[in-house]
Amino acid sequence: NAGVTQTPKFRVLKTGQSMTLLCAQDMNHEYMYWYRQDPGMGLRLIHYSVGEGTTAKGEVPDGYNVSRLKKQNFLLGLESAAPSQTSVYFCASRGADRDRQPQHFGDGTRLSIL
Amino acid sequence: AQKITQTQPGMFVQEKEAVTLDCTYDTSDQSYGLFWYKQPSSGEMIFLIYQGSYDEQNATEGRYSLNFQKARKSANLVISASQLGDSAMYFCAMREGWFTGGGNKLTFGTGTQLKVEL
Repeated sequence: NAGVTQTPKFRVLKTGQSMTLLCAQDMNHEYMYWYRQDPGMGLRLIHYSVGEGTTAKGEVPDGYNVSRLKKQNFLLGLESAAPSQTSVYFCASRGADRDRQPQHFGDGTRLSIL
Repeated sequence: AQKITQTQPGMFVQEKEAVTLDCTYDTSDQSYGLFWYKQPSSGEMIFLIYQGSYDEQNATEGRYSLNFQKARKSANLVISASQLGDSAMYFCAMREGWFTGGGNKLTFGTGTQLKVEL
């Protein structure tokens, strides 16, 4: 049972390059999320989606774009990478029902911008 | 705006002893939920326990229990009989209420690094 799968696991970029992080979930979850984790700051929400074809901004959306063309996939894009975007990125998903259902996380993508 | 505060950056505990990790929160919602996650050095986020704001009893899951004091806005995690494998970063997170824009978004605290010693 795969759960939430993030691709790639590691990546090094040069300033100004673009890339896309892929998140795939096989639990038929309606909600999906992208977070970034920086030392001493916990996890901060970048963007989220409540269903196929929908996206919304989180706490720190600047410099990122997202798309959810298929229910099972949530893509995070960096159009012009900056050193400040060096971070560990986590994708999570959750079903739409039941208050006490937790978000299920992928294993993270470690991204370095030089 | 919702806010989660974890005031203990680091904690040490002896193996087999109990430890309490503090979490306080601030929200204007009447309906909300509190989660605890564990992040070992390998990096994955592992769900531990959940407490709903209307739950009448404190949540328990095996060696984990939640000391929920609604009036004081605190939701402390208690780990009983600590094991070496409990050494990890622990995050407290709050789910917004149903009527605050949707998405069941989580707000995370900054975490507490727990080290279990022999």
